[in-house]
Amino acid sequence: EAQVTQNPRYLITVTGKKLTVTCSQNMNHEYMSWYRQDPGLGLRQIYYSMNVEVTDKGDVPEGYKVSRKEKRNFPLILESPSPNQTSLYFCASSVRVDGEKLFFGSGTQLSVL
Amino acid sequence: AQSVTQLDSQVPVFEEAPVELRCNYSSSVSVYLFWYVQYPNQGLQLLLKYLSGSTLVKGINGFEAEFNKSQTSFHLRKPSVHISDTAEYFCAVRDTGRRALTFGSGTRLQVQP
Repeated sequence: EAQVTQNPRYLITVTGKKLTVTCSQNMNHEYMSWYRQDPGLGLRQIYYSMNVEVTDKGDVPEGYKVSRKEKRNFPLILESPSPNQTSLYFCASSVRVDGEKLFFGSGTQLSVL
Repeated sequence: AQSVTQLDSQVPVFEEAPVELRCNYSSSVSVYLFWYVQYPNQGLQLLLKYLSGSTLVKGINGFEAEFNKSQTSFHLRKPSVHISDTAEYFCAVRDTGRRALTFGSGTRLQVQP
């Protein structure tokens, strides 16, 4: 089954404790992206990647890192999480580098205390 | 810069009634337009998209949208809604020269029996 898999589904952590949210897709998509969803703000792009070893900042990249060492994986790293990073995070992928039709994961609800 | 405004944060409607979810965008160049749907506890799914050609676009689940360039709008419509259409709907825009989608803040459609 074609899918984008994120883990974990829920995560509670404390300020400053490094964490990684994993994202994997099995559709051989070139384009992958991370979004955060906050009430009243919709989805805002954090980082995106057009292919292996090619990443770029989205609209809200501060406090986040990503890597794209393999085509299928695109982990999101928070090296020193802060409470304002409490949010619902989505990973998405697309066949085309322009992200025309995005396939989304089920989301990761992160709470930073 | 591209931006999207969804004028209604919530739209309550009775089953089998028609519905229109409004979306206006701002961009200085040509755009591609999208509607995504998010069912409870799931990621987003593409509902329909406008890239070029006919301004009336049909999507899945009986939804359609009309691109109006003069009014910079892309409203989503369905002539008769079902309980299963209860979800959050996001309008998104991409300038033809950019790689990133910009999402609106979402409209929660609540279909009541």
